[in-house]
Amino acid sequence: SSELTQDPAVSVALGQTVKITCRGDSLRTYYASWYQQKPGQAPIVVIYDRNNRPSGIPDRFSASSSGNTASLTITGAQAEDEAAYYCNSRDGSGNHLVFGGGTSLTVL
Amino acid sequence: QVQLVESGGGVVQPGRSLRLSCAASGFTFNRYVMNWVRQAPGKGLEWVTLISFDGTDKYYAASVKGRFTVSRDNSKNTLYLQMNSLRSEDTAFYYCARRRLDAFDLWGQGTLVTVSS
Repeated sequence: SSELTQDPAVSVALGQTVKITCRGDSLRTYYASWYQQKPGQAPIVVIYDRNNRPSGIPDRFSASSSGNTASLTITGAQAEDEAAYYCNSRDGSGNHLVFGGGTSLTVL
Repeated sequence: QVQLVESGGGVVQPGRSLRLSCAASGFTFNRYVMNWVRQAPGKGLEWVTLISFDGTDKYYAASVKGRFTVSRDNSKNTLYLQMNSLRSEDTAFYYCARRRLDAFDLWGQGTLVTVSS
């Protein structure tokens, strides 16, 4: 299968921890990368290469993977983390790329 | 300054063609796999196509294969997307994105393509 599945929406109380998940058969073979997109802006990568953060991304962002599920965890969510989050990986062929449908995160 | 700048978007009638460009600066363009990713208004991200460092390998999403063609001119540090036989469902913001360590590490600001009669 070439699909990646995400929950459409998740909410978290300010300062609490939230996990955003991404499921797909190809995740058994390939790592996911994660992207944050705020309204009117281009996406930015927050996690790449299993669990690495680009410079400027806070260390409250981390990732993990098990079986066909990849997860992005925000430990101590802040108001500025409210955004859409997308996972991305390769499909089963390895030559095509695919995004999850996205998760809209609300920080209460 | 490391950046990608897309251009060429606009309003086009169904069945017509359009070519997008993406100008790269601030990095060695010919060392990177480049991609186009699109996003219909209010919808999620959709990978469209990628092209290898030297342009010899190209892959396309099923939704655009046979209609869209990706190319690059490394002497001009520019990525292109030729879009033919456009459909209403091709209406989207089109982003070019650099691929590094199996992630899109650099994105342009996007250019809007609207397919409408």
